[in-house]
Amino acid sequence: QSVLTQPPSVSAAPGQKVTISCSGSSANIGNNYVAWYQHLPGTAPKLLIYDNDKRPSAIPDRFSGSKSGTSATLGITGLQTGDEADYYCGTWDSSLSGGVFGGGTKLTVL
Amino acid sequence: EVQLVESGGGLVQPGGSLRLSCAASGFTVSSNYMSWVRQAPGQGLEWVSVIYSGGSTYYADSVKGRFTISRHNSENMVFLQMDSLRAEDTAVYYCARGGPWARGSLYFVHWGQGTQVTVSS
Repeated sequence: QSVLTQPPSVSAAPGQKVTISCSGSSANIGNNYVAWYQHLPGTAPKLLIYDNDKRPSAIPDRFSGSKSGTSATLGITGLQTGDEADYYCGTWDSSLSGGVFGGGTKLTVL
Repeated sequence: EVQLVESGGGLVQPGGSLRLSCAASGFTVSSNYMSWVRQAPGQGLEWVSVIYSGGSTYYADSVKGRFTISRHNSENMVFLQMDSLRAEDTAVYYCARGGPWARGSLYFVHWGQGTQVTVSS
């Protein structure tokens, strides 16, 4: 049981937009910054979003992040087949004094 | 170019020990926070431990008291000493470099390719 809750899977057609939610509490998302990662099996995870809504320079602006209260959202527009992967949210948990991840969301581009 | 290369994984019996190493290049491990993250078979990512530039360390409850994170500044390496290993510690272990320290911010800019740890008799 993960501290952060994500939907197990989402799907959309190529070219469409999808959002992935991440729900937590005041101990984690509510008072700390959220990051998002893309993970393809057998490869190293890739940072997509940090500090809620900032993108590393190499990440295209098709990827966006937002936070409201104790929830965060990753948005992906202009979906491509290459976007099929597992997506994770992560943050610091002040009560646990440690990092936490969501359970991951598998994105299928139909 | 930043690179992180993990080593030291393998097959170990329950109750045994392993020491994972993470060799860093392109930056100095003492100037960033460094973490270990693992992924068990068929499971999601699980944060394991972090060491901050000032030396503070934190651990997931699942490994507290059994795992120890450390670093060797002159060798630019980070380690994870894993003792009293259990079957549930079986996972791919990733070494990750954190971003600049900021209160409430924990994220990982660079990741290694991972090393497999299997705990089984």
